[in-house]
Amino acid sequence: QKEVEQNSGPLSVPEGAIASLNCTYSDRGSQSFFWYRQYSGKSPELIMFIYSNGDKEDGRFTAQLNKASQYVSLLIRDSQPSDSATYLCAVWGIGSNFGNEKLTFGTGTRLTIIP
Amino acid sequence: KAGVTQTPRYLIKTRGQQVTLSCSPISGHRSVSWYQQTPGQGLQFLFEYFSETQRNKGNFPGRFSGRQFSNSRSEMNVSTLELGDSALYLCASSPLAARNTGELFFGEGSRLTVL
Repeated sequence: QKEVEQNSGPLSVPEGAIASLNCTYSDRGSQSFFWYRQYSGKSPELIMFIYSNGDKEDGRFTAQLNKASQYVSLLIRDSQPSDSATYLCAVWGIGSNFGNEKLTFGTGTRLTIIP
Repeated sequence: KAGVTQTPRYLIKTRGQQVTLSCSPISGHRSVSWYQQTPGQGLQFLFEYFSETQRNKGNFPGRFSGRQFSNSRSEMNVSTLELGDSALYLCASSPLAARNTGELFFGEGSRLTVL
């Protein structure tokens, strides 16, 4: 089982619709969860982070975390063509000892917004 | 504020050679992490340096090594290159206060091709 698992896609969503990206992780002791966006040919950039169970909203983005199910998701409302990118789920502290934590990435979901 | 700078951006090597990649973090950031990105495996953690000390290491062979200097600049070296080492090598820095939040600032990467 991969430590951080994402559907590779591609995921195609019409402009203006809600894009839903999902991620599961293997280590129940994981502490923090992140979504990075990577445009083609560019480096990843952080767009959302979440530490506690529930929802966290930032503009058109909502991160959802369910630690019991070891599941984290990202919702993008009113999707725009500029949201077309690969979205990487990252988990902090997976499989690590205290003070020796690292950030583990999923392989990413490629999202395409169709005008 | 200048971002993370990686050099060289592109390089081509042949099997058996060695390569050194350089990373200058954002001013004031003391943590530098290195990742290897390939289409099949995604972002794989190589190692992290903080205050010239390696704090964590991923599951890569000993051919992969790194170091950090007193000005926080970091280098990674790959010896005896193999075809499978062809990848985008990403460096990321984080400030002391935020290193435990998983917020990484990535450079544009060094794309290595091994022939």
